[in-house]
Order: sequence, then C-alpha cells, then structure tokens
Amino acid sequence: DTGVSQDPRHKITKRGQNVTFRCDPISEHNRLYWYRQTLGQGPEFLTYFQNEAQLEKSRLLSDRFSAERPKGSFSTLEIQRTEQGDSAMYLCASSLGTGSSYEQYFGPGTRLTVT
Amino acid sequence: AQKVTQAQTEISVVEKEDVTLDCVYETRDTTYYLFWYKQPPSGELVFLIRRNSFDEQNEISGRYSWNFQKSTSSFNFTITASQVVDSAVYFCALRGLGDYKLSFGAGTTVTVRA
Repeated sequence: DTGVSQDPRHKITKRGQNVTFRCDPISEHNRLYWYRQTLGQGPEFLTYFQNEAQLEKSRLLSDRFSAERPKGSFSTLEIQRTEQGDSAMYLCASSLGTGSSYEQYFGPGTRLTVT
Repeated sequence: AQKVTQAQTEISVVEKEDVTLDCVYETRDTTYYLFWYKQPPSGELVFLIRRNSFDEQNEISGRYSWNFQKSTSSFNFTITASQVVDSAVYFCALRGLGDYKLSFGAGTTVTVRA
C-alpha cells in the first residue's frame, strides 16, 4: 500500500500527558498537511509543510502543539499537556509540489481521546 | 477567507434512489479549486473529484455526477442509483489559487438503506 499512513490509529491519554503522532506521506509528495476533525464537523487545517519547511500554521495550533518534518519525509505532530478539548481525529494529507491544483490525499487518521 | 456551506446535515434514501448533495461556497479569489471527498465509516477521507473555477463543464463518472455553477457559487454532487456502499459522510472543500489549505464544509451524512 503506497498511500498516506498514520500511527497510531487510536490513542487514549490522560489529561496533562504529552502525545506524538506520526505521518508517512506518499513517497513522491513533497507537501504535507495536518488537519483536525471533531465530531460532526469537517476537517480544519492545522499546518502545512513543503519539504522540511513549515510554511503555514493555523491559529488553531496553540503553543502546546508542535509539528516537524525533519528530512522532508515523515512528519510528527506533538501535543503537550493535553486537554479534553484536544480530543479529535488528527488527519494527515500529502500532495505533489509546485502547483496549487494538486489534490490532497488523506491518511486514515489518529483518533485521540483525552480522559 | 474561504467558506463552504453544506446545508444538508443528513440524507436517508432507499437503495437505487438518486441523491443530490448541495454545496455552496464563498471566495474572493477569481481562480479557485473545488473538491468532493467521501468519508466512509472507516474514517479515511477519499478524494472523489477536483474542479477548477475556469472549467464549468459538468462531469460524470460512473454513478457520480457533478454540477458546477459559478453564477450561483454551487458545486452539487449527485449519486445515481444509490447503493448501500455509498453510505458515508461527503465533504465539499475549496482552495484558492496560491493557498494550500482546504476549507471544508461540515459534511452531509448519506445513509442508503437496503
């Protein structure tokens, strides 16, 4: 399977703990995106990488959130001091490079539950 | 700012009925891109179609068809002869030229009953 993969698929954590999610994009895609989806809503943009550079961050991405893509391949999203409001599905997507018309392909998501 | 409105929250149909999903968008960009995604119960968003703002030709792909009307800022999606496997949440999304993020609507849940 050469699609976008995410790990773990499910994460249950206690409030105040740190969590880290991983995303592996489609291999030839140099753009990578993180979105968050809460129940009954569409995905909301969090951040975007082109290669290893983080080019845009949403105001939804508070200072407890950090994302990296160190070698322009996989990416990690870390949430520090989790809160119950962080419970959501975290989706990763990737797309090809230079134009803006390329469609984004999504991974299966990581469902986070903060108790 | 981009905005996508999917006014229908849920639609329930009996198998073989046609179902049309409405999508209305707002953008100040003159060039933009519209998308439809399907999210089955497994959770993964599946890309269905991309439409460029400068191409208003409607499209048919199997049982799926899309009606893009720039004059009314609408990009509607019809499933013909629905099947149980079409049961999913369908999202309409918009991206402006030079933008990277997708702006999604709230989604329409389609339930097809046997």
